[in-house]
Amino acid sequence: SQQGEEDPQALSIQEGENATMNCSYKTSINNLQWYRQNSGRGLVHLILIRSNEREKHSGRLRVTLDTSKKSSSLLITASRAADTASYFCASGGSNYKLTFGKGTLLTVNP
Amino acid sequence: ETGVTQTPRHLVMGMTNKKSLKCEQHLGHNAMYWYKQSAKKPLELMFVYSLEERVENNSVPSRFSPECPNSSHLFLHLHTLQPEDSALYLCASSQAPGQGGYEQYFGPGTRLTVT
Repeated sequence: SQQGEEDPQALSIQEGENATMNCSYKTSINNLQWYRQNSGRGLVHLILIRSNEREKHSGRLRVTLDTSKKSSSLLITASRAADTASYFCASGGSNYKLTFGKGTLLTVNP
Repeated sequence: ETGVTQTPRHLVMGMTNKKSLKCEQHLGHNAMYWYKQSAKKPLELMFVYSLEERVENNSVPSRFSPECPNSSHLFLHLHTLQPEDSALYLCASSQAPGQGGYEQYFGPGTRLTVT
């Protein structure tokens, strides 16, 4: 999980397979966000789930949130080589601050 | 890329130099951020400006000096840096949380190397 413990730190799959990444956080949150970063570039916002939501979909992305376990997961279905990137979760409170994890490096092999 | 631009993209500077990083957002946001990304470490928030006022400063050394002249522009002035300051510096913008906007939009970053 992110925020000090990756789950997994790195993940390598074949094109067409599904990829699941997990994230944990430590304090109560207002929202949980997922970002993608291609090597050496800026982060791209993928999806935001609020603390009163349990599941959210966006295209091939599915995010779940379990506030009782302080954890979230990101599922990418039918992965493509272009999905190869680092994925970060970020927990947000009611202020400006987002707390990022160390990220999961996903490699999708053609 | 995302409506947030950063210049320069790459910067090599000596420890005695003074340089500035520039960020500009074209998204109409009113909050802007500086982050530092070092290898194998989580993204570190350095500064936050909202409506051109600094609202967060995470114990950043004084050799980093931010400036926000208006809601579209953000600078990071650098002087007498150390080699451990070498990193990717990312700028981001968002609406202020009170207005319901939480997503942050990032620029491509400036890769800084201090020699």
